[in-house]
Amino acid sequence: QKEVEQDPGPLSVPEGAIVSLNCTYSNSAFQYFMWYRQYSRKGPELLMYTYSSGNKEDGRFTAQVDKSSKYISLFIRDSQPSDSATYLCALPGMNRDDKIIFGKGTRLHILP
Amino acid sequence: DAGVIQSPRHEVTEMGQEVTLRCKLISGHNSLFWYRQTMMRGLELLIYFNNNVPIDDSGMPEDRFSAKMPNASFSTLKIQPSEPRDSAVYFCASTSEGGEKLFFGSGTQLSVL
Repeated sequence: QKEVEQDPGPLSVPEGAIVSLNCTYSNSAFQYFMWYRQYSRKGPELLMYTYSSGNKEDGRFTAQVDKSSKYISLFIRDSQPSDSATYLCALPGMNRDDKIIFGKGTRLHILP
Repeated sequence: DAGVIQSPRHEVTEMGQEVTLRCKLISGHNSLFWYRQTMMRGLELLIYFNNNVPIDDSGMPEDRFSAKMPNASFSTLKIQPSEPRDSAVYFCASTSEGGEKLFFGSGTQLSVL
């Protein structure tokens, strides 16, 4: 079983819809969870991070963690065409020198 | 802040040629990561450095790949000889020590014909 699983999409939704992006992970020791956004022909950039279970909101974005199910989600409210990008979940390693583990990313298209 | 700067943005070369990718870190950052991204495999860590010292190179595919950090602000990733299966987007990223937020460059699109 891979450490992080993410549906690659593509996911196409109409403008204004609520978007749900998800990842599952296998190691219950992970305590810190991140979402990166990657626009076409650009490098990924950190969008949100959370340490704990539950929800964290930042504007139209909500990161949700369910540690019992080892499931993390990113919700986008009132989606805009400018949200069209690839979204990657990322989990830092447990030890100081461990690498960050990235999901493969979900390609999202918001249709005007 | 100029961000992480990579060059070239695009590289097209023939199989067997040497390829050198370059990266300039953000000033003050001391950790440097090289990643490769493909549709099939996603974002893969190749190697990372802390304070110019390679910490983990287990992701380097084979001996054809080598990376150096000759000073605190600059790194190179070299592929010699290159093969078509090396075609991918190569990113470098930097962070400050202990920082978990990676700052990525815009990548080098490598095509090996």
